[in-house]
Amino acid sequence: DTGVSQNPRHKITKRGQNVTFRCDPISEHNRLYWYRQTLGQGPEFLTYFQNEAQLEKSRLLSDRFSAERPKGSFSTLEIQRTEQGDSAMYLCASSGTSGAPRADTQYFGPGTRLTVL
Amino acid sequence: AQSVTQLGSHVSVSEGALVLLRCNYSSSVPPYLFWYVQYPNQGLQLLLKYTSAATLVKGINGFEAEFKKSETSFHLTKPSAHMSDAAEYFCAVSAFTGGFKTIFGAGTRLFVKA
Repeated sequence: DTGVSQNPRHKITKRGQNVTFRCDPISEHNRLYWYRQTLGQGPEFLTYFQNEAQLEKSRLLSDRFSAERPKGSFSTLEIQRTEQGDSAMYLCASSGTSGAPRADTQYFGPGTRLTVL
Repeated sequence: AQSVTQLGSHVSVSEGALVLLRCNYSSSVPPYLFWYVQYPNQGLQLLLKYTSAATLVKGINGFEAEFKKSETSFHLTKPSAHMSDAAEYFCAVSAFTGGFKTIFGAGTRLFVKA
């Protein structure tokens, strides 16, 4: 169990550019979640996958945001035409299948901190 | 619908003193409740969780929390604070709706004075 990894850890971009983040979950976990955390706030749910299927999306996930998990393993989160309001920490978490000992517990990666200038 | 309220955005205690971080939740279905800790520029680490078993839950680093349904509370305690406990603490609630979408509180920053 090597934990959830996220890359890059930090990203600085100019307004209007596109950015993509990657999340590698714990290998046996089939559920993957994305959250956004702004300064002084708790994480806010964005979307989650069960295997390769995206099952739920938050209203926070505007049309400029897209997430994929093509083979049910790693996931990417892309933000198009970034805005200064997108500056935040983007957290990824994973959990196991229903009935598994850790199905109800999400394990978080270190996050990707995005700064939009 | 679910929600979490953490009472007090900042809590300051002396080293060796009792730590009490308050959390109240709202859930339309039996909830799963969690406490996570976050150190600067890091992700969230699970401290403990309640999943409908024992109401007093023990976690890592000497922390524990008690689920009180009548009070809709899940307060976090530690008998004796250590300097290394200084961090941000998040209470969270989730319920199974095909997946476990988790709702987090705004967090409580714990300061520990020498």
